[in-house]
Amino acid sequence: AQSVAQPEDQVNVAEGNPLTVKCTYSVSGNPYLFWYVQYPNRGLQFLLKYITGDNLVKGSYGFEAEFNKSQTSFHLKKPSALVSDSALYFCAVMRGANNLFFGTGTRLTVIP
Amino acid sequence: EAGVAQSPRYKIIEKRQSVAFWCNPISGHATLYWYQQILGQGPKLLIQFQNNGVVDDSQLPKDRFSAERLKGVDSTLKIQPAKLEDSAVYLCASSLGLAGETQYFGPGTRLLVL
Repeated sequence: AQSVAQPEDQVNVAEGNPLTVKCTYSVSGNPYLFWYVQYPNRGLQFLLKYITGDNLVKGSYGFEAEFNKSQTSFHLKKPSALVSDSALYFCAVMRGANNLFFGTGTRLTVIP
Repeated sequence: EAGVAQSPRYKIIEKRQSVAFWCNPISGHATLYWYQQILGQGPKLLIQFQNNGVVDDSQLPKDRFSAERLKGVDSTLKIQPAKLEDSAVYLCASSLGLAGETQYFGPGTRLLVL
């Protein structure tokens, strides 16, 4: 079965430092992987996705993610964190019927 | 371009009452999804429509939940009767429905069952 895991419930990073939010996947075949962000009392906003091609995917708000097949990972990264990046981040994998299975989420706090 | 619209934004009901949520997807999106997000968890798919047909409702508690998308555009999700454990945010999303296509989410309806 297609699934993803987010091993960290909480990530804290100082403003201006690089940030990483981890995601690992378990799929058969080639995965379609997504990252979404959720701000308080808001729906999910799409950040980026990996379908095929270049393993480094660039997305919204300066975020990027690297697809690593050997490590079955799709970690979200940003070179320099902003306080406004503080939010809940979800990794997801697309399943056969083209719906999404979400991870449990990682709360990112950027400390001024 | 208008996004996915949902109403109401908030709803408080007592257990055993019924409630309905409405969603209007992005224009031209054939596929519509309803997800349930319980506090502290990731969204979980309840039902997926392709136009007005059901593609996946395997995780919908059919004894109390129902959903329809009669004209292939907007959709209604109903809970009857509600239980305490139904307290959650109900998210609607839409997409073009092809493999790899991005799903776009509405703001959600926050339901509290007392």
